[in-house]
Amino acid sequence: DTEVTQTPKHLVMGMTNKKSLKCEQHMGHRAMYWYKQKAKKPPELMFVYSYEKLSINESVPSRFSPECPNSSLLNLHLHALQPEDSALYLCASSQALSRIGETQYFGPGTRLLVL
Amino acid sequence: AQSVTQLGSHVSVSEGALVLLRCNYSSSVPPYLFWYVQYPNQGLQLLLKYTTGATLVKGINGFEAEFKKSETSFHLTKPSAHMSDAAEYFCAVTTSGGYQKVTFGTGTKLQVIP
Repeated sequence: DTEVTQTPKHLVMGMTNKKSLKCEQHMGHRAMYWYKQKAKKPPELMFVYSYEKLSINESVPSRFSPECPNSSLLNLHLHALQPEDSALYLCASSQALSRIGETQYFGPGTRLLVL
Repeated sequence: AQSVTQLGSHVSVSEGALVLLRCNYSSSVPPYLFWYVQYPNQGLQLLLKYTTGATLVKGINGFEAEFKKSETSFHLTKPSAHMSDAAEYFCAVTTSGGYQKVTFGTGTKLQVIP
């Protein structure tokens, strides 16, 4: 099973709302990633977790708050977002952070619209 | 710093024709190179990757790519395009040493004309 699942598929939220995105994998991977992808652009890395600890934060605004409750689950908590945060949010996982040439497996994404 | 450049944001081919998507990389150390495909409203799927060893890499769905160090290229090819190949294709690079951040190219949208 090489599947990464993400819920919800679509999300519409107001600028004062609090919502969460969920990502799950059951491949035994110990590295998990959040990416943001704007239309017609490549994915941009936001956060990386390794062994359930935050390893990389690519200077993401604090209105995005990641959480890794266990090795299979990754959440992204959203609060007070701006319309420019509307994008496709992709989750990915890989076996380990430090292995060279490691393949990242991507989920289908959550398409977020902030009104 | 590492980077990839994809020549052509849009490529159109006829069904059955050769597919050639171009990718050039820049890296001060030996790179590891990837091609990902993204179908509409979906995540990214790995087509193939080059790490070490054989420079001609075969991937899924009949795609292959050749690592050419002298040309700093990793072009993606497929002998005969199918309608189902219509998608966005991303070339990506990562390098050894420390955290191996993946750097994506800007993408090439492939259109297949019946």
